[in-house]
Amino acid sequence: QKEVEQNSGPLSVPEGAIASLNCTYSDRGSQSFFWYRQYSGKSPELIMSIYSNGDKEDGRFTAQLNKASQYVSLLIRDSQPSDSATYLCAVTYNQAGTALIFGKGTTLSVSS
Amino acid sequence: DAGVIQSPRHEVTEMGQEVTLRCKPISGHDYLFWYRQTMMRGLELLIYFNNNVPIDDSGMPEDRFSAKMPNASFSTLKIQPSEPRDSAVYFCASVRGISGELFFGEGSRLTVL
Repeated sequence: QKEVEQNSGPLSVPEGAIASLNCTYSDRGSQSFFWYRQYSGKSPELIMSIYSNGDKEDGRFTAQLNKASQYVSLLIRDSQPSDSATYLCAVTYNQAGTALIFGKGTTLSVSS
Repeated sequence: DAGVIQSPRHEVTEMGQEVTLRCKPISGHDYLFWYRQTMMRGLELLIYFNNNVPIDDSGMPEDRFSAKMPNASFSTLKIQPSEPRDSAVYFCASVRGISGELFFGEGSRLTVL
């Protein structure tokens, strides 16, 4: 059974702080990793993708991947109230890399 | 582009009734996915299609669920008969090629009484 695990939260941080979201996955063959953001009552939207070990930065967001530890993380710097949402970790599970399985998500609350 | 279009947005039905959810993917996208989201189980992949052909339906919970994609611009997910445990938000998503950037529709919220 291929699984993606996340702490459900809620994770509460003050405005301007760094939010750290974590994810582990079970399938060592997974090649591609993604973070989606889902606002309450809305559909998920992609915010970051990462394919190789190390860090990838995009604005206030940094994704980190460690394939040996089967661990993915997302750091949000200078957190804003508008970042309050559920963050879903997603991993490709087949060799073709065409299908994603998602974690249950971590709910982030940023207080002003 | 109009994005992925799903209908209905909300459906309330009684146990035992047939439910049909519809999806129009983004034009030019060759992969289409059906997901179901609940608080307990999160976002679960039910089935996905490539060029209208079902590739993996191992996530379909049981025989009461079926999905079709008769052409590149239309897909349906059918539940017959429906049960209260089928209550969830059903998302359709599409993508062009091998990419993790799925484009999701707004979802169909199903309530089975």
